[in-house]
Amino acid sequence: GAGVSQTPSNKVTEKGKYVELRCDPISGHTALYWYRQSLGQGPEFLIYFQGTGAADDSGLPNDRFFAVRPEGSVSTLKIQRTERGDSAVYLCASSSIAGALYNEQFFGPGTRLTVL
Amino acid sequence: AQSVSQHNHHVILSEAASLELGCNYSYGGTVNLFWYVQYPGQHLQLLLKYFSGDPLVKGIKGFEAEFIKSKFSFNLRKPSVQWSDTAEYFCAVNANGYSTLTFGKGTMLLVSP
Repeated sequence: GAGVSQTPSNKVTEKGKYVELRCDPISGHTALYWYRQSLGQGPEFLIYFQGTGAADDSGLPNDRFFAVRPEGSVSTLKIQRTERGDSAVYLCASSSIAGALYNEQFFGPGTRLTVL
Repeated sequence: AQSVSQHNHHVILSEAASLELGCNYSYGGTVNLFWYVQYPGQHLQLLLKYFSGDPLVKGIKGFEAEFIKSKFSFNLRKPSVQWSDTAEYFCAVNANGYSTLTFGKGTMLLVSP
């Protein structure tokens, strides 16, 4: 079956602009995660959805970042007033089991965001 | 909060050499442990995982890892690497009761033919 997909694959924007990044999880997966991977670093957690609600948004760096998942499937990560420091690869993952002992996350290819 | 430390940022090996990548985590409770791999131009893929039971776990492509609780370690091993193992390897921990993963900074492995 299809894996996690993310669009766009690359996004170049100017400082101060607004961007939206989309994630389409594996069909039937109830849990969805956003991570950010900066150059030379491992992925860092941003936000986790269980169904339509954000179960944990403690990783969002500030209030310029927001994410939604209105129908419990596709999710959009929104970044307002982008800054050069927001440049990174934004990864989405989904899982069929969440909040339990076992958690295997399947990752998408990521969106590379460059803020000029 | 948990953290993960990977000892080597870059490793260069010749084909057929043995591989061991170090991973240590800091968390006092029960953890689930993972190794993910990212081949050039591809997305993160699960290599192997430890939840409970036998501390020696075997994954895909001949990789294995050993969980040593007393050392808070989960080192990745492969007896004989191939050129196709060239990739970046990430260790990750999921603390019991939390669904998110905490990753190490990754180790870039380059295998020369």
